[in-house]
Amino acid sequence: DAGVTQSPTHLIKTRGQHVTLRCSPISGHKSVSWYQQVLGQGPQFIFQYYEKEERGRGNFPDRFSARQFPNYSSELNVNALLLGDSALYLCASSLPGLSYEQYFGPGTRLTVT
Amino acid sequence: AQTVTQSQPEMSVQEAETVTLSCTYDTSESNYYLFWYKQPPSRQMILVIRQEAYKQQNATENRFSVNFQKAAKSFSLKISDSQLGDTAMYFCAFMKHVLSNQGGKLIFGQGTELSVKP
Repeated sequence: DAGVTQSPTHLIKTRGQHVTLRCSPISGHKSVSWYQQVLGQGPQFIFQYYEKEERGRGNFPDRFSARQFPNYSSELNVNALLLGDSALYLCASSLPGLSYEQYFGPGTRLTVT
Repeated sequence: AQTVTQSQPEMSVQEAETVTLSCTYDTSESNYYLFWYKQPPSRQMILVIRQEAYKQQNATENRFSVNFQKAAKSFSLKISDSQLGDTAMYFCAFMKHVLSNQGGKLIFGQGTELSVKP
């Protein structure tokens, strides 16, 4: 089975622009979580979605939003990009029933100039 | 709020030797999970080992084992017979029970960069 996939792998944006990152969970997984990993630090939780409903939100501004589609894939949107949004964005999926074990994708490297 | 602390930013070990990475955490929860994740230069976050707080027995996975001291809130990772492929950033992570408020989200430490030398 394919693992968690994310697209794009890398992208470069300018301050003030908007970006959409995409994630496809492992087949059969219904929960998707998003994390931001700034260079040299551990990942920070942004959102968790389960069965298309937001189940948790981290300490991020309203410029960050997400949604989950009927096929359980997910999008993370960031508006009005700041230089500080430059980071690796990781997506993780979990087994049905909100299992505690999360499987990560390879991440999207976002650079804001 | 829960916090995870890794006090060793960098460590190195000779190939075939044993190394221990430290992690402490702070929580008032009684039901939670602890994890060690490995992140090699390829960036893919890989689960190394997990421990349920209600289990007294320390988890082991082949060359990887943990020393879980619940009262001391300590969760160290021991890597035996270190291999060159173990070179990576290692993150300790905490998760409240999935059914509790804000459960299911991972809280990571700052990481320990491990280098295995030939």
